[in-house]
Amino acid sequence: SQTIHQWPATLVQPVGSPLSLECTVEGTSNPNLYWYRQAAGRGLQLLFYSVGIGQISSEVPQNLSASRPQDRQFILSSKKLLLSDSGFYLCACLRSSYNEQFFGPGTRLTVL
Amino acid sequence: QKEVEQNSGPLSVPEGAIASLNCTYSDRVSQSFFWYRQYSGKSPELIMSIYSNGDKEDGRFTAQLNKASQYVSLLIRDSQPSDSATYLCAGTSTNSGGSNYKLTFGKGTLLTVNP
Repeated sequence: SQTIHQWPATLVQPVGSPLSLECTVEGTSNPNLYWYRQAAGRGLQLLFYSVGIGQISSEVPQNLSASRPQDRQFILSSKKLLLSDSGFYLCACLRSSYNEQFFGPGTRLTVL
Repeated sequence: QKEVEQNSGPLSVPEGAIASLNCTYSDRVSQSFFWYRQYSGKSPELIMSIYSNGDKEDGRFTAQLNKASQYVSLLIRDSQPSDSATYLCAGTSTNSGGSNYKLTFGKGTLLTVNP
């Protein structure tokens, strides 16, 4: 079965600082991977998805970027964080045989 | 119309009752539908998926899909306090094609089951 790891679990960063969140997946190969953000009191917003190494699709214009350097690694980055970047960041993986998405434990980011 | 809409709630039911959670969707969403449960501070957990019209039962959970009415629901029988959580409805985006598979989520309904 698939397992998704995300770190760090929580992060407090000052405005203007850089960001790097990592997601790794076990138990599958060449998965579709997704980054979501859930802001307080709001729904899940799809930020990026990737169908393979080096292939990134952006859903929402913003100061965030994503990269997929390895098959089972997905990284979310920012050069300069904004207050509005605070939220719960979730990595998800697609189980293609059933078209079901599974989520990692998430990273809670607070930008001060 | 928003792509996936849910009543934000909160929905409060007594222990042992049936909780009914509803979701409507627009033409931008189709094919497959999913219900996720999200406890406070935790990530969403997939609890039900449904792909065709009708009912699908799994334990105390029943998902219902009506594509003509663009309506999907989740029934929780014999509700327990441990069912208290936010329930997210999601559907496949119609601009998903081939490997470009994406879901659209509703904002979720907060369910409270009172002992």
